[in-house]
Amino acid sequence: KAGVTQTPRYLIKTRGQQVTLSCSPISGHRSVSWYQQTPGQGLQFLFEYFSETQRNKGNFPGRFSGRQFSNSRSEMNVSTLELGDSALYLCASSLGRTATNEKLFFGSGTQLSVL
Amino acid sequence: GDSVTQMEGPVTLSEEAFLTINCTYTATGYPSLFWYVQYPGEGLQLLLKATKADDKGSNKGFEATYRKETTSFHLEKGSVQVSDSAVYFCALSTGNQFYFGTGTSLTVIP
Repeated sequence: KAGVTQTPRYLIKTRGQQVTLSCSPISGHRSVSWYQQTPGQGLQFLFEYFSETQRNKGNFPGRFSGRQFSNSRSEMNVSTLELGDSALYLCASSLGRTATNEKLFFGSGTQLSVL
Repeated sequence: GDSVTQMEGPVTLSEEAFLTINCTYTATGYPSLFWYVQYPGEGLQLLLKATKADDKGSNKGFEATYRKETTSFHLEKGSVQVSDSAVYFCALSTGNQFYFGTGTSLTVIP
């Protein structure tokens, strides 16, 4: 069974540009969550999508948005990039909605560098 | 609010040494607790979990016990190997979202 696939693996952008990241969950998984990972901050929750609907959102500005398609694939968009957006963006999938006992499966991430 | 605080690293140990990585949490309700591990260039993988007080999670020689009285979930291993070198994340789930600690980098030298 294929794991969680994130594309692209690396991205270099300049300030003010926008970027779209893609995540394909494990087959059969309906929930996709996005996290921003930076040194010293650990993983910060961005949002969760389940059945094409955003179910939960972290404390990030509106420049960060996402969506989920009917095949559970998800995209995350960041507009008007800032230097501080440089980070590893991780996608995680799970069978059902985030629940206390739900196990997350992570992709390898997209490393975004903003110059 | 809900949060996880874990021991800062980096931690460097010799092979076969004893490992402890401290993790404490703040949460309302009855969260589940997890340890995830991230090897270089990879995403996070679940290492172990515990879903209620006094539960012990274990995997690959690692153990952690859910201590409600001390709000802790410390990770331990009796004898580390070079292959255990990675970043370890403590996490909790309240049912709405996961909260992760900042990660502790472990390097094991031969």
